Amino acid sequence: NAGVTQTPKFRVLKTGQSMTLLCAQDMNHEYMYWYRQDPGMGLRLIHYSVGEGTTAKGEVPDGYNVSRLKKQNFLLGLESAAPSQTSVYFCASSSPTGQETQYFGPGTRLLVL
Amino acid sequence: AQRVTQPEKLLSVFKGAPVELKCNYSYSGSPELFWYVQYSRQRLQLLLRHISRESIKGFTADLNKGETSFHLKKPFAQEEDSAMYYCALIRPTGANSKLTFGKGITLSVRP
Repeated sequence: NAGVTQTPKFRVLKTGQSMTLLCAQDMNHEYMYWYRQDPGMGLRLIHYSVGEGTTAKGEVPDGYNVSRLKKQNFLLGLESAAPSQTSVYFCASSSPTGQETQYFGPGTRLLVL
Repeated sequence: AQRVTQPEKLLSVFKGAPVELKCNYSYSGSPELFWYVQYSRQRLQLLLRHISRESIKGFTADLNKGETSFHLKKPFAQEEDSAMYYCALIRPTGANSKLTFGKGITLSVRP
């Protein structure tokens, strides 16, 4: 099993550009999450999903949108990137019965110029 | 609202020295507490959870409800323990319960 994978690994954007980060998991997990990791701020939850077709806002949802069209995929979109969105983005997944054990992807480094 | 506080950003110790990474939480009920670790260039992974009362890689953590703390301890630090450590909390009941992470602490173990 590959676990949780993220695409791309690194990306540079100009302010105003859009992009989509893809997260895929092959563990049949119901729950999926997007976090951003910033120095001194730790991990902050952006959006999450408790099942196919459902999404919910986390702690810092502004400027991001998500979609969960398939159970195994969770997409994070930036419609108009801003320098404040420069960060490392982590995707995670978990089962409903084991929510505390979240399995993380390797991360995507995003630089917005 | 639940909250996790890791008061220090960085802890630097020499190899063989004891380590204590502090974690305090605020939650009115009985939460479940965890420690996650992120080694350099690796993904975040679960280190241990309080309900298991286990020792992983020599690390232990005891939940102190009176002090609302869940400090991570190791008697003799090793260089390979150098990493970013996150304390996390989850409510044990309720739909859609999510992990709340602290801001993390970087542990640096010098030779």
